[in-house]
Amino acid sequence: DAKTTQPTSMDCAEGRAANLPCNHSTISGNEYVYWYRQIHSQGPQYIIHGLKNNETNEMASLIITEDRKSSTLILPHATLRDTAVYYCIVRAGASGSRLTFGEGTQLTVNP
Amino acid sequence: DTAVSQTPKYLVTQMGNDKSIKCEQNLGHDTMYWYKQDSKKFLKIMFSYNNKELIINETVPNRFSPKSPDKAHLNLHINSLELGDSAVYFCASSQDTENTEAFFGQGTRLTVV
Repeated sequence: DAKTTQPTSMDCAEGRAANLPCNHSTISGNEYVYWYRQIHSQGPQYIIHGLKNNETNEMASLIITEDRKSSTLILPHATLRDTAVYYCIVRAGASGSRLTFGEGTQLTVNP
Repeated sequence: DTAVSQTPKYLVTQMGNDKSIKCEQNLGHDTMYWYKQDSKKFLKIMFSYNNKELIINETVPNRFSPKSPDKAHLNLHINSLELGDSAVYFCASSQDTENTEAFFGQGTRLTVV
């Protein structure tokens, strides 16, 4: 699975959009971009995933660049409960579905 | 109704003991996993089962033995516990091995003293 690079930490004001970047310059054509988050002391939680097109669900939006070498997770109206470590993961569909977690980005939403 | 449930939530035990962690999912998924999160917060896959068959077995000491009696359960048995086994262990499940999201349990914090 391709390696990803994320900032170690980010801050965001409550109610504002949180934009979390991820670089995956060695991504292959059959690899998807997944985002998970881990709120303190809880299990990781799936957020969203995509291959080429931008995706949106009730939690977030995923913007993938045309060359697929980077992506951005957008939380449109961050709340205090969104404070968590956010993981960007790239994996191939037939990889036995393992998720390879990196260090992630600690997002802190401030009041 | 908890989708992926693990028991116990906390486990404190002495070195050399044998212990088990149980995991059950009520989502009807075919694939289940065990992940380990160490003190540095790195999450690493240990095992994956699909339809009760082992499909991923990372470089894990053979003191760790997963057992899947049916698709809904994946238990983790650990023999001769060592201090370095102290970690949070997460069970997870997904519909299959393809591009579907994984659902994680709340974790079992194992402390070996």
